[in-house]
Amino acid sequence: EVQLVESGGGLVQPGGSLRLSCSASGFTFSSYAMHWVRQAPGKGLEHVSVISSNGGGTNYADSVKGRFTISRDNSKNTLYLQMSSLRAEDTAVYYCVKDGAARGGGWFDPWGQGTLVTVSS
Amino acid sequence: QSVLTQPPSVSGAPGQRVTISCTGSRSNIGAAYDVHWYQQLPGTAPKLLIYGNTNRPSGVPDRFSGSKSGTSASLAITGLQAEDEADYYCQSYDSSLSGRVFGGGTKLTVL
Repeated sequence: EVQLVESGGGLVQPGGSLRLSCSASGFTFSSYAMHWVRQAPGKGLEHVSVISSNGGGTNYADSVKGRFTISRDNSKNTLYLQMSSLRAEDTAVYYCVKDGAARGGGWFDPWGQGTLVTVSS
Repeated sequence: QSVLTQPPSVSGAPGQRVTISCTGSRSNIGAAYDVHWYQQLPGTAPKLLIYGNTNRPSGVPDRFSGSKSGTSASLAITGLQAEDEADYYCQSYDSSLSGRVFGGGTKLTVL
């Protein structure tokens, strides 16, 4: 069974930093692109970032470009999101999500349970 | 504003059929990119419902079906059940934004 377990969320002051982790199991982690998707309280879904299977390619939403860095350690089956210069509008549940297919299926499946990041003074 | 447009809410009585639309443009759905659908039950993470416009993952009841035409897609739910009450999101790829995009979500209420 595929499992994605996020950790590292919490309360942080505006301008601060936080590092999210996602531990993956139940599939060949190094064969799949991985994503972070966030959901602000009471709002819809936003694709934040993607990283290729070997970590050589990344992409970011304009809203986080230059502030967030996605990375992965295939030897540890772990995905990361380093967040800096955090703003109130970054407050959201952050989901770790596996790409739908090894060759880039275009969909997200499955999703982790999410970790809440709250940016507030 | 979301790149893909969904109605904020739809409703139906148990046993009825409802549809949820997802309208895009020539840079996403209209450019032949696939549409995928997710169901988010209250307080839980989203779950894949339909992928590749019409395909159901194993375990998803055949009461759920997807279609696509031109710059729009639709999710149909037949034989509505109380447990279907949830938020539904469509998702595709946008070539202008060079990234995956979501609709704003539709809240389904079972009357």
